[in-house]
Formats: sequence, C-alpha cells, structure tokens
Amino acid sequence: SQTIHQWPATLVQPVGSPLSLECTVEGTSNPNLYWYRQAAGRGLQLLFYSVGIGQISSEVPQNLSASRPQDRQFILSSKKLLLSDSGFYLCAWSPPGGYSEAFFGQGTRLTVV
Amino acid sequence: TQLLEQSPQFLSIQEGENLTVYCNSSSVFSSLQWYRQEPGEGPVLLVTVVTGGEVKKLKRLTFQFGDARKDSSLHITAAQPGDTGLYLCAGGGSEKLVFGKGTKLTVNP
Repeated sequence: SQTIHQWPATLVQPVGSPLSLECTVEGTSNPNLYWYRQAAGRGLQLLFYSVGIGQISSEVPQNLSASRPQDRQFILSSKKLLLSDSGFYLCAWSPPGGYSEAFFGQGTRLTVV
Repeated sequence: TQLLEQSPQFLSIQEGENLTVYCNSSSVFSSLQWYRQEPGEGPVLLVTVVTGGEVKKLKRLTFQFGDARKDSSLHITAAQPGDTGLYLCAGGGSEKLVFGKGTKLTVNP
C-alpha cells in the first residue's frame, strides 16, 4: 500500500532563517506531488506541483521554492523565512497520469518568530 | 482559472439534525472529490464522483455530482459529533487539484 511521510510535524524558526520541509512517498512510482499551505483551518492554497523528477510548477510567486530530486521525494525550501510564511504546510500525492484523488501527509505547522 | 465555491462557510448544528453543504463552479470538472479534515491533520479522502448525476453513499453521507459536472453536494443524515470537521471539495481537470475553501461543520451533542 502507498504511504506518505512528511516531517517535521511542528517547526518554530526565526525570521531570516532557512527552511527545508521534506516529503516522501512509498509504494508507488512517478506520483504527482503537491505542496499546499493552509491558513487558519480554511482552504488549501496550492504552492507547487510536480509531475516528474526536476519538473516543478509554481502556482504562487513567493519566498518559497520546491525541488524533486528523486521520484518520490519532494522538498519545500526557503533561503530566508518571513513572518508571513507561517502556516500549516501539507504535502500530497496523486496517482500518475493526471488529475485524481490526492492523499495527504500529516502536515507541518510552521511558526516563524 | 478554475474555482470552487463552497457554502456555507460555517455550520453549527445539533446532534441528530440533517444538513447539506454545496460545492459550485462555473467550470466543468472530470472528477470531484470530497475530503474531511480534522484540526492539525491532513485532509482525508471521503469519495470521488466522476459521472454527471452520480450519487454515492457512505453510511450517513450522500454525495451527488451535478448533471453538468460543475457542482456537487454532500448531505449528512442524523449528524453526530464525530462528523465535526472541515469538509473540502476538490475538482480534477489537469495535473493539479483545485480545492474549495471548505465548510467548517460543528455538531453539538
């Protein structure tokens, strides 16, 4: 069966510090991968998605970047965090071949102080 | 740009009541999903509907996909406190999923 791992679960970082959130998927090949951010228990804002290694699409220009160094690994990064980067970050995967159901990790609560 | 609008945004009801939440768009989707999310956790997929007019039932939850595949509804019968959560709809039409902003449901005992 497929599983998705996202870590860390919580993170407190000072303004100006770097960020690296990692997500890995097991039990499937060539998944579509996604990073979402969620504010205050509301809807999901799509940040990045990837349909293959090295292929990253950015939805919202901002202080973040994403990379996919391996087929089932997706990383969200920032060189210098801003206060506005605080939020709940969710990684998700969906089966290859296009749009389909998404399966989410447990999320990372990031607080920038 | 494909957008999904959910209504109501917030809903607070008593245990045992029935409720319906809606997900509407001006765009056609090839499929539509419903998720439930609890605080501090990732959303969990409840159902996927793919055919216009399709109705799916999951215990006390009934999901319907509009004939034109632009809208969907979720009906809960005899709501229970365990149904409390954020209900999100999402539409599929390309590599990315478009999510609505959700309906926050509270079922009071």
